[in-house]
Amino acid sequence: GDSVTQMEGPVTLSEEAFLTINCTYTATGYPSLFWYVQYPGEGLQLLLKATKADDKGSNKGFEATYRKETTSFHLEKGSVQVSDSAVYFCALSELYFNKFYFGSGTKLNVKP
Amino acid sequence: NAGVTQTPKFQVLKTGQSMTLQCAQDMNHEYMSWYRQDPGMGLRLIHYSVGAGITDQGEVPNGYNVSRSTTEDFPLRLLSAAPSQTSVYFCASSYSRARGSYEQYFGPGTRLTVT
Repeated sequence: GDSVTQMEGPVTLSEEAFLTINCTYTATGYPSLFWYVQYPGEGLQLLLKATKADDKGSNKGFEATYRKETTSFHLEKGSVQVSDSAVYFCALSELYFNKFYFGSGTKLNVKP
Repeated sequence: NAGVTQTPKFQVLKTGQSMTLQCAQDMNHEYMSWYRQDPGMGLRLIHYSVGAGITDQGEVPNGYNVSRSTTEDFPLRLLSAAPSQTSVYFCASSYSRARGSYEQYFGPGTRLTVT
């Protein structure tokens, strides 16, 4: 079945450091891929998405590229801020149904 | 738009009690889902609905019931609460894939403790 695997956390970085959170997926068809962010005490918010191979999603300085050949959708940001501290979830959605599969989440701590 | 709303925000139950978690959306979304979030396990799908009158089981449906009598509402019922159901519950909604925009919108969550 479909699944998402993302790197274990927590990830601790200093402000202005480069961020990569790895995400790989298994899917039988042609899924869409998403990154969601969860701030403490809140629900999940969509950060970015990509709907087909080689698409790049971007938002708020975060980027991720849909790599079909490596079944990956790694999240990157060139310079993190303290306000980026949150839990990040990678997710996929099947082509013909709207069921979502989420990774286990990666907690990011950014220190000033 | 209020988006996706959930009530209550917090709830404490005793083992064996029943209750209903409420979820409503005002975006006219076809799809609605319930997830539970447990530490280190991400979000797991409990039940979902592709439209009024249509529901189906997700990954962890045991101990939960749902119904969808209207497009807007998708309540989750705990039939006989167990400590293993202590979790944070999220409701989400989205358009169908045919609409071209189908990312899920999440409610703020209900934190449930079963003692």
